[in-house]
Amino acid sequence: DIQMTQSPSSLSASVGDRVTITCRASQTMSIYLHWYQQKPGKAPKLLINAASSLQSGVPSRFSGSGIGTDFTLTISSLQPEDFAIYYCQQTYSTPYTFGQGTNLEIK
Amino acid sequence: QVQLQESGPGLVRPSGTLSLTCIVSGDSISSTNWWSWVRQPPGKGLEWIGEISHSGKTDYNPSLKSRVTISVDRSKNLFSLEMTSVTAADTAVYYCAKMSSGWSGFDFWGQGTLVTVSS
Repeated sequence: DIQMTQSPSSLSASVGDRVTITCRASQTMSIYLHWYQQKPGKAPKLLINAASSLQSGVPSRFSGSGIGTDFTLTISSLQPEDFAIYYCQQTYSTPYTFGQGTNLEIK
Repeated sequence: QVQLQESGPGLVRPSGTLSLTCIVSGDSISSTNWWSWVRQPPGKGLEWIGEISHSGKTDYNPSLKSRVTISVDRSKNLFSLEMTSVTAADTAVYYCAKMSSGWSGFDFWGQGTLVTVSS
């Protein structure tokens, strides 16, 4: 199985801050890496697929980068609605695996 | 717009069988997609359970493979999950999700349904 390790596990930040979340895979996987946002009581929402492709309707302050084993999700200027849990996921090989999540909290 | 809707019992007895269905609207279950089940124990992260392809090929998480079956009913445009011999550790919110391709990620999700395993 490909293990996905996210860091940090939790992050406190303020509105307007720039934040970066990283995801490291235990083996190389091209760009089969996706980022999700999950708010309490809701299903995960796909933000970015294939490492850097922004989903339709997702604000441009979200961006993704990386290839191989190291990936990042960046939010350029945090807005109040961005406080949530973020997960990375690989679909390079089954079993598809998720990172443990990054809880982005308001400072 | 594609929509997925899970349904099934919210309470299952220990050692029993968990059965859920996911009704798909806005897309054909036979179109070139992969249909997955994902679960999330309360307060914890996401775990992929398995998938069924448009051609009916299944793939399961090895950690659950011996207890899980995913099937499709093309006449009703839905796919289903059965998990046998459940324990309290199977208590979770269960989501169904659609993947258009390996590059796409899980682009559509159901709203999730909480299944509690308890006597």
